[in-house]
Amino acid sequence: SAVISQKPSRDICQRGTSLTIQCQVDSQVTMMFWYRQQPGQSLTLIATANQGSEATYESGFVIDKFPISRPNLTFSTLTVSNMSPEDSSIYLCSVGDRTSYEQYFGPGTRLTVT
Amino acid sequence: KQEVTQIPAALSVPEGENLVLNCSFTDSAIYNLQWFRQDPGKGLTSLLLIQSSQREQTSGRLNASLDKSSGRSTLYIAASQPGDSATYLCAADNYGQNFVFGPGTRLSVLP
Repeated sequence: SAVISQKPSRDICQRGTSLTIQCQVDSQVTMMFWYRQQPGQSLTLIATANQGSEATYESGFVIDKFPISRPNLTFSTLTVSNMSPEDSSIYLCSVGDRTSYEQYFGPGTRLTVT
Repeated sequence: KQEVTQIPAALSVPEGENLVLNCSFTDSAIYNLQWFRQDPGKGLTSLLLIQSSQREQTSGRLNASLDKSSGRSTLYIAASQPGDSATYLCAADNYGQNFVFGPGTRLSVLP
């Protein structure tokens, strides 16, 4: 299994600002995923981040709002841009095991926008 | 488009009971189905992964089954304990690591 860490664990931000969330994995992985979990809701996939290529965004999510970087096989960042209170959520990164396809999650970043 | 539902939405049981959580998915052409546990305000912990060629997986007091033809999976928890209290999420993977999550079942096990 993979061990995943995220920074920050939580933050309170003002409307109109941006926050970059970091995700670090203890092993090299091809695909990393970013999810959003709004209060009381289940998880929704934002995008898939592959090293060396542009991230693939799901319907309803755009690069201008959620730019993603994937500089190497162990690290990725998600930026939440021009935040509004509706962006208050837990943001989680995950990776998949290349053999079993089992998915592992980081501890999440709890974002509150005031 | 894959849709995943879970029944019940919430469940409260006394300690020691056996219980079953249900997960349904609309597109049976899945690669895998995975069950997770989420504690309040925390990330997800993987419990069991059932690959498309498998019918069930077991880990300790947990047993998960998969019936692709009927679009259903169940998570069986034996001899429940207060520490099992959490939200349980199932997720279906249709495209190889592209998971669609259900809304979850919030479980409370009372001492």
